[in-house]
Amino acid sequence: QKEVEQDPGPLSVPEGAIVSLNCTYSNSAFQYFMWYRQYSRKGPELLMYTYSSGNKEDGRFTAQVDKSSKYISLFIRDSQPSDSATYLCAMSLNDYKLSFGAGTTVTVRA
Amino acid sequence: DAGVTQSPTHLIKTRGQHVTLRCSPISGHKSVSWYQQVLGQGPQFIFQYYEKEERGRGNFPDRFSARQFPNYSSELNVNALLLGDSALYLCASRLKAEAFFGQGTRLTVV
Repeated sequence: QKEVEQDPGPLSVPEGAIVSLNCTYSNSAFQYFMWYRQYSRKGPELLMYTYSSGNKEDGRFTAQVDKSSKYISLFIRDSQPSDSATYLCAMSLNDYKLSFGAGTTVTVRA
Repeated sequence: DAGVTQSPTHLIKTRGQHVTLRCSPISGHKSVSWYQQVLGQGPQFIFQYYEKEERGRGNFPDRFSARQFPNYSSELNVNALLLGDSALYLCASRLKAEAFFGQGTRLTVV
């Protein structure tokens, strides 16, 4: 079993739709949870960072962490074609190594 | 402020050769980590350095080595290159738990 599971998709939505992404994990000791956006052949860009359980909102992005279910989500409201990318979830115990999901490829159709 | 910078951006090497990749972290960040990302997968942890000392190593062979310099920049060295070493190599800079990535070095081994 992988430490972090993420559905690779691909996911295709019309412009303006809500994009829903999620990851599950097996290590209950993870405390820090991050979502990255990665455009083709580029480095990952940090979108959202959360510590422990709860919700965090930043503009069109909302990150949710449910530690009891070992499940994290990212929601993108009013999606735009520029949101088309691969989204990676990542988590860590502290400031040590990040464990990543495989990434979900998202296409927003104009 | 400059982000994480990596050099070179692209590299083509022959099997059996040696390669050195370089990374400069965000100013003030003392932790540098290296990740390998194979096409279609999430990044895999290789090394973490903090204050010039190795803090952790992922499941990679001894052909992979790294070091961190007094100015906190870092080098990743890979000896005896194999075709399977072809990947995007990412450097991450951390102040606390949030990790910021460079644009990566795309290594192709032929």
